[in-house]
Amino acid sequence: DGGITQSPKYLFRKEGQNVTLSCEQNLNHDAMYWYRQDPGQGLRLIYYSQIVNDFQKGDIAEGYSVSREKKESFPLTVTSAQKNPTAFYLCASSIVVSGANVLTFGAGSRLTVL
Amino acid sequence: GQNIDQPTEMTATEGAIVQINCTYQTSGFNGLFWYQQHAGEAPTFLSYNVLDGLEEKGRFSSFLSRSKGYSYLLLKELQMKDSASYLCAVSDSNYQLIWGAGTKLIIKP
Repeated sequence: DGGITQSPKYLFRKEGQNVTLSCEQNLNHDAMYWYRQDPGQGLRLIYYSQIVNDFQKGDIAEGYSVSREKKESFPLTVTSAQKNPTAFYLCASSIVVSGANVLTFGAGSRLTVL
Repeated sequence: GQNIDQPTEMTATEGAIVQINCTYQTSGFNGLFWYQQHAGEAPTFLSYNVLDGLEEKGRFSSFLSRSKGYSYLLLKELQMKDSASYLCAVSDSNYQLIWGAGTKLIIKP
């Protein structure tokens, strides 16, 4: 079955550590996204990539980094510079369906900083 | 600034009908999306409206009025599995999605 796989599902980190969240898709979608979800707030865009070897900052890119070396993969690194990294992180890819850019999401990674 | 407003929480009874409203103020408009998200899971696509009017898809319908900056999601014949958060998102002039905080729908027997 085609889909998006995020790992790990749960991750605990000590302050000052970098962590990398994996996102792999086998949907052959060109565009991929990373969102952060916090209670009581809408999804906020961290980074997105529309093509291999190219990516753009979203609204809250500070303290995060990404790479897009392969079409299938879009890993997110949460660096120690991110002041409040505890959150639910969602990776998505998209395809245009009847004029709509529809997102398909992974199951998410919940990061907790101890 | 850009803003999407939805009620934080709603409660409805199994078998009934519920309407979840979404109002928006964005720089440009290129469509409105509704997604469903069960607790701790990924959001899944429900509907897309770009023209005014009602789009029906089984038990779920979505309505859009661009002049009023308003949409609603209508859920009929509610089932317990419909307990979830419903996210409204608007595609702005740059085709970037602006997300509401979501409406948590609680279904009671």
